[in-house]
Amino acid sequence: GAGVSQSPRYKVAKRGQDVALRCDPISGHVSLFWYQQALGQGPEFLTYFQNEAQLDKSGLPSDRFFAERPEGSVSTLKIQRTQQEDSAVYLCASSHAVRAGKGNEQFFGPGTRLTVL
Amino acid sequence: AQSVTQLGSHVSVSEGALVLLRCNYSSSVPPYLFWYVQYPNQGLQLLLKYTSAATLVKGINGFEAEFKKSETSFHLTKPSAHMSDAAEYFCAVSDFDTNAGKSTFGDGTTLTVKP
Repeated sequence: GAGVSQSPRYKVAKRGQDVALRCDPISGHVSLFWYQQALGQGPEFLTYFQNEAQLDKSGLPSDRFFAERPEGSVSTLKIQRTQQEDSAVYLCASSHAVRAGKGNEQFFGPGTRLTVL
Repeated sequence: AQSVTQLGSHVSVSEGALVLLRCNYSSSVPPYLFWYVQYPNQGLQLLLKYTSAATLVKGINGFEAEFKKSETSFHLTKPSAHMSDAAEYFCAVSDFDTNAGKSTFGDGTTLTVKP
């Protein structure tokens, strides 16, 4: 029951391949976020889940990106037909809060470093 | 819309010297502000957060930050740098009332500590 875990930690894909990145949030955390961190930059928001509901996917860069959290726990970020510009670290974060005043710290996983050749 | 600007992508200090990492934010509503630290090949670790309580916030590892609304700033300080403080630091802003806490991050500041 430690922190947020992500797998794989490293993924190398050939351009055009599909990849799936997994996030195991802290048990009981309602909120789950995915961020993309390009080299030398800060994380950028991709999508947000409250339990199994995907409430915000405004940060997904294209329709090749798809995320799900079917049972409100584990989440998977899928990238279809990967492109070189998809190379980045993908961070997952979870929080037990859904609104202000109820503890809003996000706990981050170690990330998955995706390299598309 | 929210945004964060971290002034100085690289900061170098001597061990024992004051650490000052600058962060300015833009938010249309009262913000929640955070500082995170990231060590190589690791995720982000929360150092401290401002959530509209005290304007001077104390965090872990001797860091603190002061929220100054008039200056829209949330600078991170530590009186005496330690070698173990060398890392990447990110300032982030979140608007809980309208976007469920998703954060907007700055581009980060790399802190180097010289012996």
